[in-house]
Amino acid sequence: QQQVKQSPQSLIVQKGGISIINCAYENTAFDYFPWYQQFPGKGPALLIAIRPDVSEKKEGRFTISFNKSAKQFSLHIMDSQPGDSATYFCAARYTGNQFYFGTGTSLTVIP
Amino acid sequence: GAVVSQHPSWVICKSGTSVKIECRSLDFQATTMFWYRQFPKQSLMLMATSNEGSKATYEQGVEKDKFLINHASLTLSTLTVTSAHPEDSSFYICSALEFGEKLFFGSGTQLSVL
Repeated sequence: QQQVKQSPQSLIVQKGGISIINCAYENTAFDYFPWYQQFPGKGPALLIAIRPDVSEKKEGRFTISFNKSAKQFSLHIMDSQPGDSATYFCAARYTGNQFYFGTGTSLTVIP
Repeated sequence: GAVVSQHPSWVICKSGTSVKIECRSLDFQATTMFWYRQFPKQSLMLMATSNEGSKATYEQGVEKDKFLINHASLTLSTLTVTSAHPEDSSFYICSALEFGEKLFFGSGTQLSVL
């Protein structure tokens, strides 16, 4: 059973546009929701994270929107750049050290 | 962010040999580290959770005798792939938990078994 469902699987955005990646979960015991960025041949890098008591968190061009009642959260990348082309994973943490990852979204930003 | 160092970045070995991969948390102590396997264009597959000073907890289907994990200190965990075969070829990634919340990943190791 997929604990965290991520969509879309792939996304193509024009340079300067907004990239939006969505994740949904079922387990209300999840207490921490990070997003990771992964370039080919590299390990994932922590991008931004949010706790369920906050509805939005912004860091630079990256924003997480969190909807606790809908059990959904999303990553918004403003002014998308070709350098943002990577695979993005959402995740959810359960009881301290169990992390569940989404299936990943391959983002391509075209010039 | 915190730094997790993983070595080697890539390794090529002959079938039947053993390969050791090291994962170090450079600027924090990690009581818990994780090992993942990732196939091309797929998500992270958790192999095992290692806690400093105790035996690793393996996920269902992961052979503990093939994938030996040692977490002997608060900054070092190792994964040894014993008697490696071509089907073990994969991208292996470690991660370390900082302050019990933030998860930081190593840069990964591409293993190719000939």
